Amino acid sequence: DSGVTQTPKHLITATGQRVTLRCSPRSGDLSVYWYQQSLDQGLQFLIQYYNGEERAKGNILERFSAQQFPDLHSELNLSSLELGDSALYFCASSVEATVETQYFGPGTRLLVL
Amino acid sequence: AQKITQTQPGMFVQEKEAVTLDCTYDTSDPSYGLFWYKQPSSGEMIFLIYQGSYDQQNATEGRYSLNFQKARKSANLVISASQLGDSAMYFCAMITKQDYGGSQGNLIFGKGTKLSVKP
Repeated sequence: DSGVTQTPKHLITATGQRVTLRCSPRSGDLSVYWYQQSLDQGLQFLIQYYNGEERAKGNILERFSAQQFPDLHSELNLSSLELGDSALYFCASSVEATVETQYFGPGTRLLVL
Repeated sequence: AQKITQTQPGMFVQEKEAVTLDCTYDTSDPSYGLFWYKQPSSGEMIFLIYQGSYDQQNATEGRYSLNFQKARKSANLVISASQLGDSAMYFCAMITKQDYGGSQGNLIFGKGTKLSVKP
């Protein structure tokens, strides 16, 4: 158990819908990262927050957004969902935002029908 | 550009034998970290081992060791005494301190190697 929690574990929804994925980092970790894992794209970095502020953006679509709250939990919002958004979404956390180990949550498996 | 290359899509190893999973990386940043993660069929990503670019010695964690050859830009994972539970996808990843258009501190992953341990 990495100490990072993610809910829900599984999510099935329809095209055009909006979903929210939730992540609680390890105790003491200030930095949260979101990654997407799909068969065709592999593991890709989406976005990073550090202590409530957006720190870096990767290959995140405009339909996707995220935030980190004062208690340091983070939410990833996916809207106008398409079939191609079906993937495993990981949250990871680390103490700071430097070259250090990131610990991953169990992931949320999203299926868009 | 920063890149991780894993050239072995799949590998087989006999139980109790050692196996090496290859990883090469590309970066111009002198400060970076190299990581290996294990992803079993259940899906979670499990951190295995870390090597910093300035570390003088190869990292070891139990049955896992990282064969770090800086000049060749390789960071191969060695698993000794393979167990059936080692069957999984293994990902090599890198973080650099270099700031490319705002990206900083995120992991760059290879495509992974699927390891199958035979009894």
